[in-house]
Amino acid sequence: EIVLTQSPATLSLSPGERATLSCRATQSVSRFLAWYQQRPGQAPRLLIYDIFNRAPGIPDRFSGSGSGTDFTLTISSLEPEDFAVYYCQQRKDWPITFGPGTKVDIK
Amino acid sequence: DVQLVESGGDLVQPGGSLRLSCVGSGFTFSTFEMHWVRQAPGKGLQWIAYINEGGSGANYADSVKGRFTISRDNAGDSLFLHMNSLRVEDTAVYYCARASVTTEYFSDSWGHGTLVTVSS
Repeated sequence: EIVLTQSPATLSLSPGERATLSCRATQSVSRFLAWYQQRPGQAPRLLIYDIFNRAPGIPDRFSGSGSGTDFTLTISSLEPEDFAVYYCQQRKDWPITFGPGTKVDIK
Repeated sequence: DVQLVESGGDLVQPGGSLRLSCVGSGFTFSTFEMHWVRQAPGKGLQWIAYINEGGSGANYADSVKGRFTISRDNAGDSLFLHMNSLRVEDTAVYYCARASVTTEYFSDSWGHGTLVTVSS
């Protein structure tokens, strides 16, 4: 099973600041890596797929990068609605796995 | 608008059974692969089951293999999760999600979830 780890567990920032979230896999996931946002009480929302492609309707302040086993989600300037939990997910191999999440909260 | 609506969550005793449903609308349900993903209270996301478009192929997380069965009724635009031998640790919100070719088979639409509580 491919295990995903995310860091940091919590990121405390102010609106307007840049957020950098990390996801690391125990083996290469090729291009099959996505990022989701989950706000309290809501379902997850797809932000980025295949490492760097933004899902339809996702603002361009969200960007993804990385390769192989190390990936980054960057939010260039935090808006109030961006304070949420972010999960990475791989679908390279079964079982599909998610990282434990990074909570971005207001400093 | 694309919509997925889950139902069937309930309070059930350990060892019991439950069937969850998910109805899709606003898209051609029969052309999408589907997943079930769960989230225990205060915890992260856990993928548990997948089914292909026609229903002939499925895959499961080890934690539910042999106890849960995913199925679909394309004529009724519906996805199901049959859950047997339920355990306390199966307590979670269960989401259905579609896998879209547009987003390279990552899940671009999710339901709101249905809560399953396993407790005596």
